[in-house]
Amino acid sequence: DVKVTQSSRYLVKRTGEKVFLECVQDMDHENMFWYRQDPGLGLRLIYFSYDVKMKEKGDIPEGYSVSREKKERFSLILESASTNQTSMYLCASSEEQHYYGYTFGSGTRLTVV
Amino acid sequence: KNQVEQSPQSLIILEGKNCTLQCNYTVSPFSNLRWYKQDTGRGPVSLTIMTFSENTKSNGRYTATLDADTKQSSLHITASQLSDSASYICVEAGKLIFGQGTELSVKP
Repeated sequence: DVKVTQSSRYLVKRTGEKVFLECVQDMDHENMFWYRQDPGLGLRLIYFSYDVKMKEKGDIPEGYSVSREKKERFSLILESASTNQTSMYLCASSEEQHYYGYTFGSGTRLTVV
Repeated sequence: KNQVEQSPQSLIILEGKNCTLQCNYTVSPFSNLRWYKQDTGRGPVSLTIMTFSENTKSNGRYTATLDADTKQSSLHITASQLSDSASYICVEAGKLIFGQGTELSVKP
């Protein structure tokens, strides 16, 4: 089974801090994604990457950046955390064709105080 | 506009009862449709995957149907258990269009 691992289940950070959320997948998937999930809004795509060092903006990229230096690792960076970035963050990965496997990590609940 | 709409928003049923969750999609071109189960505080886990040529797919007590003509899918849960309490999310995975989810609560 594909495993997508997010480094932290729960995280509490202060406003203005730089925050790194890490995601690692073990199945050599080309595509990796970062979503945030908020009540009533569902999942919203922040950024995705289809190859090493490649990235594409999703629907809500403002306030975030990403890094993909290695195929298995996709990092989400909050340059200066704000309280409105308090959310559940979900990482996912898939093979080149979405049909052949799209797997989520367990999520990181980030609280910015 | 590409959209996936789910109904109902929330549902409460008694343990042992059956239920059906609905998903209507207006996504073009259509690739495949997935149902996910998301337990509180966890990431979504895939239940079923269907392409346009598949009408039904089962995974234990979960059965998904797809009608490509009406662009509707349903997820039927048989003999519900307390552990079925979760959010169920429908996704058109070609364009990554997510529904808002149905919150299912199974009561003893």
